Amino acid sequence: DVKVTQSSRYLVKRTGEKVFLECVQDMDHENMFWYRQDPGLGLRLIYFSYDVKMKEKGDIPEGYSVSREKKERFSLILESASTNQTSMYLCASSLWGGSNTEAFFGQGTRLTVV
Amino acid sequence: QQQVKQSPQSLIVQKGGIPIINCAYENTAFDYFPWYQQFPGKGPALLIAIRPDVSEKKEGRFTISFNKSAKQFSLHIMDSQPGDSATYFCAATQANSGGSNYKLTFGKGTLLTVNP
Repeated sequence: DVKVTQSSRYLVKRTGEKVFLECVQDMDHENMFWYRQDPGLGLRLIYFSYDVKMKEKGDIPEGYSVSREKKERFSLILESASTNQTSMYLCASSLWGGSNTEAFFGQGTRLTVV
Repeated sequence: QQQVKQSPQSLIVQKGGIPIINCAYENTAFDYFPWYQQFPGKGPALLIAIRPDVSEKKEGRFTISFNKSAKQFSLHIMDSQPGDSATYFCAATQANSGGSNYKLTFGKGTLLTVNP
């Protein structure tokens, strides 16, 4: 089975801290994604990557950056955490290819910024 | 700009009922329309998907109906069960600007509760 693992289920950070969310997938997928999920807003794409060291902005990249140094690992970085970044963060991966490739999600990291 | 509009936001049905969740889109570049199911504490998982050249797709108790001219699609759950209680997201896929890869755009989700 495809497994997408996020390093933390719950995280509490202080305003202004630099925060790293880590995601690892074990199926050699080319694509990796970071979404945030908020009640009433659904899943919104922050960044995605289709190859090592490659990245593209999603719909809400402001305040975030990403790093992909190895194919299996995709990190989301909050340079200076703010309370409006309190959310559920979901990582996903998929094979490169046609539009019908399935995205596999991790279980999410619930981040609270105080 | 919300590219995929989903309704209703929440839905409550009795066991055996047929909940229907609707989605609409504007971008004709979308070419694949999956539905994802999310249980509490879990990430979303692919449930069923359809291409726009097909008007209906059925997998078990789940059916997608697709109306290309109206740019609408819907999920029907036949003989719904309490175990179907979850959040359902419609989505659409389009190529990125370089045409080399694809990203998913999600609706806002529908919280379905099936009462026993």
